[in-house]
Amino acid sequence: GENVEQHPSTLSVQEGDSAVIKCTYSDSASNYFPWYKQELGKRPQLIIDIRSNVGEKKDQRIAVTLNKTAKHFSLHITETQPEDSAVYFCAAMPGTASKLTFGTGTRLQVTL
Amino acid sequence: NAGVTQTPKFRVLKTGQSMTLLCAQDMNHEYMYWYRQDPGMGLRLIHYSVGEGTTAKGEVPDGYNVSRLKKQNFLLGLESAAPSQTSVYFCASSDAGSWNQPQHFGDGTRLSIL
Repeated sequence: GENVEQHPSTLSVQEGDSAVIKCTYSDSASNYFPWYKQELGKRPQLIIDIRSNVGEKKDQRIAVTLNKTAKHFSLHITETQPEDSAVYFCAAMPGTASKLTFGTGTRLQVTL
Repeated sequence: NAGVTQTPKFRVLKTGQSMTLLCAQDMNHEYMYWYRQDPGMGLRLIHYSVGEGTTAKGEVPDGYNVSRLKKQNFLLGLESAAPSQTSVYFCASSDAGSWNQPQHFGDGTRLSIL
């Protein structure tokens, strides 16, 4: 089955700096890669996703890049703000399956 | 439009007791999922369903059973609760579409087994 590794487990940045979280996956058939943000005590919420037919996707301060050859994808947050502080999860879904495999999460702290 | 609703939100059980967690979605989604979330381990799939009347095992199915008798509901059962099942349980649903579709999560159920 699919295996997703996520790094780093914790990340601290100063407000205004950029943050990058990286994930690798094992199943070359995976073709859908969502990112979720989870605030303390809340549900995971989808912030951006990318499908294997594109290499990059942007939504305001958030971008995701995908390298299918190397089997890794990354989340980039620019101009970080205190409200970006949360746990971020990456996930991957093989095209033949209907289930996601999640990474173990990255706790992002944005300090003033 | 409530999205995905989980009941109850909190529950404390004694070892050996049984209970059922209910997940309801009003988005007419085909797929539904149950996850458990433990510190440092992310979200792990327990069971899932790709349509009414169907269920399948996920990554950590032992000790749990599920049923999908109606399209909008997905039930997770613990027949004999164990302390190792203390966790936060999330339900999610997604559409079936030609490309994989985003999963939408409920608010979670915090379950403690004493």
